Amino acid sequence: AQKVTQAQTEISVVEKEDVTLDCVYETRDTTYYLFWYKQPPSGELVFLIRRNSFDEQNEISGRYSWNFQKSTSSFNFTITASQVVDSAVYFCALSEIYNQGGKLIFGQGTELSVKP
Amino acid sequence: DVKVTQSSRYLVKRTGEKVFLECVQDMDHENMFWYRQDPGLGLRLIYFSYDVKMKEKGDIPEGYSVSREKKERFSLILESASTNQTSMYLCASSLFGRGNNEQFFGPGTRLTVL
Repeated sequence: AQKVTQAQTEISVVEKEDVTLDCVYETRDTTYYLFWYKQPPSGELVFLIRRNSFDEQNEISGRYSWNFQKSTSSFNFTITASQVVDSAVYFCALSEIYNQGGKLIFGQGTELSVKP
Repeated sequence: DVKVTQSSRYLVKRTGEKVFLECVQDMDHENMFWYRQDPGLGLRLIYFSYDVKMKEKGDIPEGYSVSREKKERFSLILESASTNQTSMYLCASSLFGRGNNEQFFGPGTRLTVL
């Protein structure tokens, strides 16, 4: 069965701290995709990154970085030098290559609060 | 700029009413989705559609139906609204593919059923 677990329900940090959001997934497929989305207070989910199961290279985009480890079925997201604008709910999601229609399985979400 | 729009940001309905939530996308996407979002549960898929007039049940279809008469429009219908359907409803769309295409989301409709 497919499942995505984000064990951290809420995280609170002070501005400029680094923070890591955890994501653990379960799938029986060998080919799959992992995603991270950000949901700011306005409500609209914004796509951040997609990673396929054959690409275990870490990715960095500005203050954001992602660590994909197939051995531990994890796809963690780190924000370096956090800012108040990073406050949002972050979702990790899984898509299997053979699923019809491109369905996503979402984790429960982690609410990040960055205080000034 | 890609866009998914939803007919209302906030909606208040009474128990037993028939409720229509409309979603329109302007990206010529084949796939469209309806989710509900509840605290602690993340996003759960209600229904999705990968083509006009095609629909598939998601994880929690009970109490809901959908309609897709045109490619750009996907409607979610609550035949007889109940209080346990109070939630945030999110619509999304994506290109047809093998699970590799990101979904684009609308701003959401916060529905309250009294």
